Amino acid sequence: SQQGEEDPQALSIQEGENATMNCSYKTSINNLQWYRQNSGRGLVHLILIRSNEREKHSGRLRVTLDTSKKSSSLLITASRAADTASYFCATDDAASKLTFGTGTRLQVTL
Amino acid sequence: GAVVSQHPSRVICKSGTSVKIECRSLDFQATTMFWYRQFPKQSLMLMATSNEGSKATYEQGVEKDKFLINHASLTLSTLTVTSAHPEDSSFYICSARESHQQFFGPGTRLTVL
Repeated sequence: SQQGEEDPQALSIQEGENATMNCSYKTSINNLQWYRQNSGRGLVHLILIRSNEREKHSGRLRVTLDTSKKSSSLLITASRAADTASYFCATDDAASKLTFGTGTRLQVTL
Repeated sequence: GAVVSQHPSRVICKSGTSVKIECRSLDFQATTMFWYRQFPKQSLMLMATSNEGSKATYEQGVEKDKFLINHASLTLSTLTVTSAHPEDSSFYICSARESHQQFFGPGTRLTVL
């Protein structure tokens, strides 16, 4: 399987804290993307980082990419209860196919 | 952003019946669409790549005769689960590519009794 791995599998934090999720992958990539999925729903695209980029910001999101280690991290700052969801990384390869990581289930409590 | 719809959102059927799921790109044309399957609390697994006007490309381990894919127009791809069984119960999600980004449909929950 080419599926990437994410850790932690589950993360529970309090509102206002930061949440960090990590993703590792196995093959060469064109870019890496992060998605959010609320329970039983479709995917929402959060951010895309290209293989020649090292860090990217979007609002409260910060993504890093280390192609030498084949890893990426997603940081959500000042988390809110509405951030509760599953988060997936996905790598986009030369064949333009997305391969999803195993996902991190984030629970933000009040 | 681009919008992708799926129909139906939820379907319950008896074992042995066939179920068709539609995936539409609403405001853009998509020569390539993708079909994924997601079991509870698991990640999305790519089943097949749907190409407009040609045969779909299936991932290893996915039976092409069981999961029929038709991509007859630039805005519509269909997935038919033939002779469905309880183990086919899952969340099926499609996506359509525009430029360098894939846009995902809301998913279809299939329950086979």
